[in-house]
Amino acid sequence: EPEVTQTPSHQVTQMGQEVILRCVPISNHLYFYWYRQILGQKVEFLVSFYNNEISEKSEIFDDQFSVERPDGSNFTLKIRSTKLEDSAMYFCASERTDTQYFGPGTRLTVL
Amino acid sequence: GESVGLHLPTLSVQEGDNSIINCAYSNSASDYFIWYKQESGKGPQFIIDIRSNMDKRQGQRVTVLLNKTVKHLSLQIAATQPGDSAVYFCAEKQGSGGYNKLIFGAGTRLAVHP
Repeated sequence: EPEVTQTPSHQVTQMGQEVILRCVPISNHLYFYWYRQILGQKVEFLVSFYNNEISEKSEIFDDQFSVERPDGSNFTLKIRSTKLEDSAMYFCASERTDTQYFGPGTRLTVL
Repeated sequence: GESVGLHLPTLSVQEGDNSIINCAYSNSASDYFIWYKQESGKGPQFIIDIRSNMDKRQGQRVTVLLNKTVKHLSLQIAATQPGDSAVYFCAEKQGSGGYNKLIFGAGTRLAVHP
């Protein structure tokens, strides 16, 4: 069964550093998403992406965040200058019609 | 304001019993709801969904009930097993234009005891 994959599983970085989180969505899916989950809290929407552009973004998704689909398979989330409060699990999801399938997540720890 | 929320943070059941996890929503215009299961250290896993033109939908050992009158939905798990132990989220699908972001509730932890 096709799955969404994410790398790395855990990323540790220093405050102010740039990080890139990578995702490989399910191959025939059209819509792509990033969500985050701070420890012990609910999953929060960050951004949706369709047809090579951002469809919608939340208030969390400020100028420090960007997304890209550099080729036909990868979908990346970049945080330019990480802050302590960016520490969270980041989930990628993809969708063909209606149902969003989630990857296993990347745990980002900002020190 | 619009919200999706859960009644109980933790539910403990005995193995073999039926489990019922509840969720309330406040946006009467919501028309699509999904239940996800999240095991420790993993991403949300789709369980079952329901549209607002239905009031019940069944899957394998799971049933989702939707009561639009009181804006409430529930997830019923039959013959709960230890492998069902996880956090369960209801999510509301909102948006337009061929894509829809998910709005998640706070989650209910299901603990299954032998």
